[in-house]
Amino acid sequence: DVKVTQSSRYLVKRTGEKVFLECVQDMDHENMFWYRQDPGLGLRLIYFSYDVKMKEKGDIPEGYSVSREKKERFSLILESASTNQTSMYLCASSLLAGGGNQPQHFGDGTRLSIL
Amino acid sequence: AQTVTQSQPEMSVQEAETVTLSCTYDTSENNYYLFWYKQPPSRQMILVIRQEAYKQQNATENRFSVNFQKAAKSFSLKISDSQLGDTAMYFCAFLKLYNNNDMRFGAGTRLTVKP
Repeated sequence: DVKVTQSSRYLVKRTGEKVFLECVQDMDHENMFWYRQDPGLGLRLIYFSYDVKMKEKGDIPEGYSVSREKKERFSLILESASTNQTSMYLCASSLLAGGGNQPQHFGDGTRLSIL
Repeated sequence: AQTVTQSQPEMSVQEAETVTLSCTYDTSENNYYLFWYKQPPSRQMILVIRQEAYKQQNATENRFSVNFQKAAKSFSLKISDSQLGDTAMYFCAFLKLYNNNDMRFGAGTRLTVKP
């Protein structure tokens, strides 16, 4: 089974702090994703990466950056945390297969609170 | 851009009964994939069922089945013999063929199975 591990289930930080959310997958997937999940809005894509050191902006990249130095690890960085970034953050991974029929596999999520 | 609409924010069903969750989507694509994901309370999001748009036959997975109406752009999920463990958020998702980096999610339906 695919295992996507997010480093923290719950995290509390203060406004202005630099925050790192880590995600590791063990299935050699090329694609990795960071989503934000808010009630009534579903999942919105922040960033994704299809290879080491490659990244693409999603729908809501403002205030975030990412890092992918190794294939199995994808980090989400909040450069200067703000209260409107309080949310559930989900990491996912998938194979880069032709035909696009590879489902995404998700981690448990990190519930981040910015005070 | 593709949009996915789940018009039922919350639903409930009695244990052992059948429930149908609605999903509609908007796209100009002819070939794509549709998914239903399940997110139990405080647990990982998992794939429930997948449908390829070029297949006319509706997908089934044990107690879960879909009613895929391509012309109407509708993709509903039917859960038969509901169990307490089916209590979860359910997300409908759309994925274009040959672009597995851009999965679009609906806002979700919170399903409660009552004993």
